[in-house]
Amino acid sequence: ETGVTQSPTHLIKTRGQQVTLRCSSQSGHNTVSWYQQALGQGPQFIFQYYREEENGRGNFPPRFSGLQFPNYSSELNVNALELDDSALYLCASSLYGSGNTIYFGEGSWLTVV
Amino acid sequence: EDQVTQSPEALRLQEGESSSLNCSYTVSGLRGLFWYRQDPGKGPEFLFTLYSAGEEKEKERLKATLTKKESFLHITAPKPEDSATYLCAVGETNSGGSNYKLTFGKGTLLTVNP
Repeated sequence: ETGVTQSPTHLIKTRGQQVTLRCSSQSGHNTVSWYQQALGQGPQFIFQYYREEENGRGNFPPRFSGLQFPNYSSELNVNALELDDSALYLCASSLYGSGNTIYFGEGSWLTVV
Repeated sequence: EDQVTQSPEALRLQEGESSSLNCSYTVSGLRGLFWYRQDPGKGPEFLFTLYSAGEEKEKERLKATLTKKESFLHITAPKPEDSATYLCAVGETNSGGSNYKLTFGKGTLLTVNP
């Protein structure tokens, strides 16, 4: 077990709605990343947060946004949900710095109908 | 753009039948080659990180090796509990030197029959 916890584990939303996913990083970790994993695919990088600021972003539109809090926990917000947003959303935590291992949580399954 | 290709897509083995999974990559500057195991409906579980060609790491029945263009995950005498999807990823750092992004392959689905 990595110590990275995510909530909720499963949720169903309607197209056009908004969703917030939450993540608590592993104790001692100061960097949080979010990934999207569609069925049968590898995870895709959404963005990373360090010192409460976005520290890098993948190829996702602005309706994907995030926050990091002083205790290093994080939120992923997705506005105007589309059917293609249905996926497993993974939170990952690490220590800032080259060579540090990135640990993943169990994920939040989002279904958009 | 970094690319990671894993083969085969699926592999079925009998218990005790050793084999290897392949991960080939094209990246401008490798900042780590990562292997993860993922069980159905779960998040990826970290296995290994390799940083330079020639490096090898072992854990129980698994051994990961790295060359300049590919990595192999060797599975010796596998057991049914080794059944999972194995993901390979390359790490990219930002200007600050942090491992900030992993680019994943699609994974190899390994099934070990008793």
